[in-house]
Amino acid sequence: GAGVSQSPSNKVTEKGKDVELRCDPISGHTALYWYRQSLGQGLEFLIYFQGNSAPDKSGLPSDRFSAERTGGSVSTLTIQRTQQEDSAVYLCASSHGQGWQFFGPGTRLTVL
Amino acid sequence: ILNVEQSPQSLHVQEGDSTNFTCSFPSSNFYALHWYRWETAKSPEALFVMTLNGDEKKKGRISATLNTKEGYSYLYIKGSQPEDSATYLCALRSQGNKLVFGAGTILRVKS
Repeated sequence: GAGVSQSPSNKVTEKGKDVELRCDPISGHTALYWYRQSLGQGLEFLIYFQGNSAPDKSGLPSDRFSAERTGGSVSTLTIQRTQQEDSAVYLCASSHGQGWQFFGPGTRLTVL
Repeated sequence: ILNVEQSPQSLHVQEGDSTNFTCSFPSSNFYALHWYRWETAKSPEALFVMTLNGDEKKKGRISATLNTKEGYSYLYIKGSQPEDSATYLCALRSQGNKLVFGAGTILRVKS
């Protein structure tokens, strides 16, 4: 079946603008994760959704970041008032329960 | 707090060489260790999930070992090929199923 998809693949925005990044997980996967890789850094956990449980938001770097998962499927990561340090590759992953996490191709965000 | 270190940071080898990289972690307070391969412009691809001390996995020319007592995992590639060129990521799965990643080892295989 189809893998994890993300859109857009690239996003260039101006400092101060809001952006929305979308993730379509593998059908039937109950868990969805967001990570990001800033330049020169390793992949960093942001947020985790598991079924109907409250999401684990412990990795969100500031209150400008938020995410939601509608209907237990598609997820949107929103960054308000973007800053240059938000520039990174944002990766989404999904899994069936606590199984292997399958990653999407990522969204490369550049904040000018 | 989980900390994952990978070495070397980058590696250049000739086609046919065998190579290995290290993932080290000071704490064994995790549920599993994951290895991923991440090729440029593609999605990170899961290679192995390792859960037991002394666990060993093999997939074609690639294998991995885990020693939780000594705090390391090795990834081996036998007879490297240009298509093995990628960034190899090690991650620890902690409470809540989130992955804590190392910075990765960049492998370049020259033909």
